[in-house]
Amino acid sequence: AQSVTQLGSHVSVSEGALVLLRCNYSSSVPPYLFWYVQYPNQGLQLLLKYTTGATLVKGINGFEAEFKKSETSFHLTKPSAHMSDAAEYFCAVSENRDDKIIFGKGTRLHILP
Amino acid sequence: DAGVTQSPTHLIKTRGQQVTLRCSPISGHKSVSWYQQVLGQGPQFIFQYYEKEERGRGNFPDRFSARQFPNYSSELNVNALLLGDSALYLCASSFNPQGAYTEAFFGQGTRLTVV
Repeated sequence: AQSVTQLGSHVSVSEGALVLLRCNYSSSVPPYLFWYVQYPNQGLQLLLKYTTGATLVKGINGFEAEFKKSETSFHLTKPSAHMSDAAEYFCAVSENRDDKIIFGKGTRLHILP
Repeated sequence: DAGVTQSPTHLIKTRGQQVTLRCSPISGHKSVSWYQQVLGQGPQFIFQYYEKEERGRGNFPDRFSARQFPNYSSELNVNALLLGDSALYLCASSFNPQGAYTEAFFGQGTRLTVV
């Protein structure tokens, strides 16, 4: 069965500092991997995705993530945090390519001035 | 172009009542999926419908049901509401879930409060 583990339910970084949100997954087949962002009282917005090909994927708002099969990881990074990055971030996996997406529990990112 | 639209945005129901949530997918999208997001948790998959047929079901009781209409809009019904059904219900649509990946777009959700 597929699953996602996000390390740290809350992460705080200073404005301008590196953002690193950790995600490990479990999947019996080559997975599709996603990072979504959710602002308060909003739906989910796709930040980036890995399907096939290049393992370093770039997304919106300066975020990127690297698929590491050997480590079953898909960590999200951004070189320099901005106040507008404060939100809830969800790592997710899909095996069936059929919209059954399995989400992690989320990491709330706090940006310190 | 309009995104995925859900209605209502908020509603309050009493335990034991029934509720119907509605979702209109992006024009041209034939697949609709439903997710439940309890406060402080990630979304959990409830149902997926494609071309009006159920293609997937998550680990939810039979009190939860859904259907998809010829225009690809969808309804999620929950009977005999429990306090634990209080959550944000998200709908997602995609063009084609078969074969190659196509992105799922999420609506803003319906916030259901059961009192």
